[in-house]
Amino acid sequence: GENVEQHPSTLSVQEGDSAVIKCTYSDSASNYFPWYKQELGKRPQLIIDIRSNVGEKKDQRIAVTLNKTAKHFSLHITETQPEDSAVYFCAASQGWAGANNLFFGTGTRLTVIP
Amino acid sequence: GAVVSQHPSRVICKSGTSVKIECRSLDFQATTMFWYRQFPKKSLMLMATSNEGSKATYEQGVEKDKFLINHASLTLSTLTVTSAHPEDSSFYICSARDIAWGGYQPQHFGDGTRLSIL
Repeated sequence: GENVEQHPSTLSVQEGDSAVIKCTYSDSASNYFPWYKQELGKRPQLIIDIRSNVGEKKDQRIAVTLNKTAKHFSLHITETQPEDSAVYFCAASQGWAGANNLFFGTGTRLTVIP
Repeated sequence: GAVVSQHPSRVICKSGTSVKIECRSLDFQATTMFWYRQFPKKSLMLMATSNEGSKATYEQGVEKDKFLINHASLTLSTLTVTSAHPEDSSFYICSARDIAWGGYQPQHFGDGTRLSIL
């Protein structure tokens, strides 16, 4: 089965700095990689996703990169703000009609210091 | 956007009680819903995949007789924790994917249910 590893487990940055979270996956058949943000006691919310046919995707201050050969993908948050503080989860899935299960990383607790 | 409603949000009950949790897709149809369990400060662990009109698929180590799943319609899946014990206390969260999206289908999560067994 798929194994997703995520680093770091905790990350503290100053407001305005950038934050990078990295994930690796094991199953070369995975082709869909979403990122979720979860605030304490709340539901995970999809913030960005990337499919295996692209190497990078950007949405305002958030970007995700994918290296299929190395089987790793990263989340980049620029100009961080205190409201970015949350736990971020990466995930991998075989997105086409099939199992479509999401395999989650262990999470990164991001703290943005004002 | 797609909304998934999960109810109840919090349950506190005595050991031996059975607890039912509902997961509804409010503005889309979902042939597949997923049930996760999340321990404090831990990741989401997939328990089972709920398929409309058929039996759920359970992950290894998850007792199907303990965690009963029913997916009777395209908008509702239920998880029943039977004869709950303190070790079943956890945060249970469901997700659903919109069948209208085709191949790549984002999962949308409910707000979760915090279950506490005394």
